[in-house]
Amino acid sequence: KAGVTQTPRYLIKTRGQQVTLSCSPISGHRSVSWYQQTPGQGLQFLFEYFSETQRNKGNFPGRFSGRQFSNSRSEMNVSTLELGDSALYLCASSLGGGTNQPQHFGDGTRLSIL
Amino acid sequence: GESVGLHLPTLSVQEGDNSIINCAYSNSASDYFIWYKQESGKGPQFIIDIRSNMDKRQGQRVTVLLNKTVKHLSLQIAATQPGDSAVYFCAENPDNTDKLIFGTGTRLQVFP
Repeated sequence: KAGVTQTPRYLIKTRGQQVTLSCSPISGHRSVSWYQQTPGQGLQFLFEYFSETQRNKGNFPGRFSGRQFSNSRSEMNVSTLELGDSALYLCASSLGGGTNQPQHFGDGTRLSIL
Repeated sequence: GESVGLHLPTLSVQEGDNSIINCAYSNSASDYFIWYKQESGKGPQFIIDIRSNMDKRQGQRVTVLLNKTVKHLSLQIAATQPGDSAVYFCAENPDNTDKLIFGTGTRLQVFP
């Protein structure tokens, strides 16, 4: 069974640009969550989608947004990029549905802002 | 989210010894906990989980202990191997969604 796939693996952008990151969950998983990982702040929850609906949102500005498609694939978008947005963005999937199933992570997209 | 320093706490153990990694969680309402292992250049890898109605769960070479009274989790790795070298994170689930709150992480170094 294929794991969580994130594309692209690396991305370089400049301040003010926008970026879209993609995540394909494990087959059969309906919940997709996004996390930001930085050396200073560690792993922080961005948002979670289940059945195309945002079910939970972390404490990030509105420049960070996401969506989920009917096949459970998800994208996140960051607009008006700032230097502080440089981070590893991780996607995780689970069966969802409030069943306390473990989330499984992809290897992330490394975003660097110049 | 948690604010962590640039320098992770580090646990250095000799190959073959047992390792114990500790974690304090923040929310007394959390009812589900997970340990992850993260190697350089990779995403966190699921190791073991435990629900709040249990105080111990064993896997292959790993054991998780949960003490709800003091909000403490530990991960025990038996016969630590070089391949166990990584950063280990505990995570808590404070509600019934998939939002996880991660601990600061501990770097495990295994030397021969």
